Amino acid sequence: GAGVSQSPSNKVTEKGKDVELRCDPISGHTALYWYRQSLGQGLEFLIYFQGNSAPDKSGLPSDRFSAERTGGSVSTLTIQRTQQEDSAVYLCASSFDRGPDTQYFGPGTRLTVL
Amino acid sequence: AQSVTQLGSHVSVSEGALVLLRCNYSSSVPPYLFWYVQYPNQGLQLLLKYTSAATLVKGINGFEAEFKKSETSFHLTKPSAHMSDAAEYFCAVTHGGSQGNLIFGKGTKLSVKP
Repeated sequence: GAGVSQSPSNKVTEKGKDVELRCDPISGHTALYWYRQSLGQGLEFLIYFQGNSAPDKSGLPSDRFSAERTGGSVSTLTIQRTQQEDSAVYLCASSFDRGPDTQYFGPGTRLTVL
Repeated sequence: AQSVTQLGSHVSVSEGALVLLRCNYSSSVPPYLFWYVQYPNQGLQLLLKYTSAATLVKGINGFEAEFKKSETSFHLTKPSAHMSDAAEYFCAVTHGGSQGNLIFGKGTKLSVKP
């Protein structure tokens, strides 16, 4: 079956612009996660959705970052007023449920902020 | 708080040699432990996971890992390396409650020499 998909695969933007990153999870998966992978910080957890709800947003790096999930499916991560330190690969993962259920990762979106 | 330490950011082995990638964890509650592999420009793929059943876990591509509570370790091994095993490997921990987000180690890049 179809895995987790993310779009765009690559995004180059100018400092100060807003960007939207999209994640399509595996159908039927209730849990959805966003992670960021960068050279300096490794793999960092950003936010988790159970259904359409994000109980804890404390992993988001700043208030320029926001995320939503609609219909218990597609999720969008939005970064406003992008900064160069936002350059990273943004990975989305989904699992049937939270906790120890296997998380299946998408291929990621590589964001470059000039 | 949970954390993961992977000893050795780079490991190089000869084709046919034993692969040993080290992972130590810290967790105040019983952990669930994972090994993921990342090939260049791809997302993360699950190799294996420990969820409190058998302490010796077998995964895909001939990899296995042993959970040792007394040593707080979950080292990844493969008896005979193949060229196709060259990739970056990440150890991760979570627990059953809360959000279930993964906490990753910094990763170990495995090189396989012919």
